[in-house]
Parts: sequence; C-alpha cells; structure tokens
Amino acid sequence: QSALTQPASVSGSPGQSITISCTGTSSDVGGYNYVSWYQHHPGRAPKLMIYDVSNRPSGVSNRFSGSKSGNTASLTISGLQAEDEADYSCSSFTSSSTWVFGGGTKLTVL
Amino acid sequence: QLQLQESGPGLVKPSETLSLTCTVSGGSISSNNYYWGWIRQPPGKGLEYIGTIYYSGSTHYNSSLRSRVTISVDTSKNQFSLKLSSVTAADTAVYYCARHEGGSSIFGPWGQGTLVTVSS
Repeated sequence: QSALTQPASVSGSPGQSITISCTGTSSDVGGYNYVSWYQHHPGRAPKLMIYDVSNRPSGVSNRFSGSKSGNTASLTISGLQAEDEADYSCSSFTSSSTWVFGGGTKLTVL
Repeated sequence: QLQLQESGPGLVKPSETLSLTCTVSGGSISSNNYYWGWIRQPPGKGLEYIGTIYYSGSTHYNSSLRSRVTISVDTSKNQFSLKLSSVTAADTAVYYCARHEGGSSIFGPWGQGTLVTVSS
C-alpha cells in the first residue's frame, strides 16, 4: 500500500486560508468516505482534526474543514493563527481493510 | 478520560524482536466497536499504519509488515502489544498506539509515542 501524497510544506500569513491536499487512488481515498486529518507537534500525540472527510470532532475550531473530490481529499484552514503551525497528516481506509497515511505536510505560519 | 501509554525498550539490536505494550486507562479495551492500533513514524518521514486488533483477537496488518508483525491483546490487563521481528535500522521510529472507532475514520486518542532505535 503506497502512502497518500501530500505536499511537503505549505505556508500562509495570519488570517489567510490554506489548503493541504491528500491524493490517493480509487482503492483508498476515492473509494471510501473514510478520510481523516491529524495535527501533530513533535513530541506530542497526534490530534484528530477532521474525520469521515468533513466532520469535525467536538472541540476542534470551525476554522478547520475537510472535503474530497475524486481521489483527492483536502484540509482547509481559514483565518490562520500562529498556533496552527504544525505537521498535518491525512489517513484513508483502503480496499485491503487497512489504513494508509500521507507523508505529512509541514504548515508554517509566516 | 481515555488515555493510552506506550512502554517498552527504547533500543533494540538488529535482527532482534521489537516488543511494545500499550496500556489503556480510563476505559475498557473490551468496549464494542473499538479497535486498537499501532502506527509508527520514522525520523523525517510520515506516519505508517502497522495494524489493529479487536478485543476478540481479530487483527488487520499492513501488508508490507505482515510477515514480521504480531499484535495481541490482554483484556485482563487492559493492554495490547506489538511484536516486530527481524528488525533493521529502517524500523527505527516513534511508535504510537491509538484507538480506532469502528465504522469511521477516527483514530484517537493516541499515546504520546515512544522512540525505538534499532542499533547495535
């Protein structure tokens, strides 16, 4: 199972919006509405930000949103804040009944 | 509040077996519809799914690691474990345990992670 493809890095200024893409295949992202996004800082446990493509867990800011088109899922963060600076990873269910993660994207808030 | 904590040796020799345990507190590992998983992150790389287990013992493994991985559960101790055999330097990573909610893409909560280095 190949890792999902994410950009290595994205950046934006405070207040701006950014989008992180997560590209897979019809055997994972494109085939199921089981895509999630995680925020993680070095040395800390990853935090669930979006699940099942576009659902936000309680306690997660509504500045975070998710979507999917074909084999590509996206995480959008609006109104960027300094505290959003972190690594973000996507995950998808696969046709093998397992899970695959993306390579991770480092978000820099300028 | 459910919490997960990884434990085990931080250094393993090449060709030996890596063994980690995840202790679950604040909830039962035998809860219906929850699976228990291991995910790792090699230095400078992305997260990699290793496998998951249900309290009944049913498992799913990453096909690329299947021949070397065993995940087991001990409901009496509220723990689940990972064994990875014949390790090489490529298995050096931060290893996380996490709960997966069945019927969704939710992995969480996660443990803090533990760094395992493979070196002689």
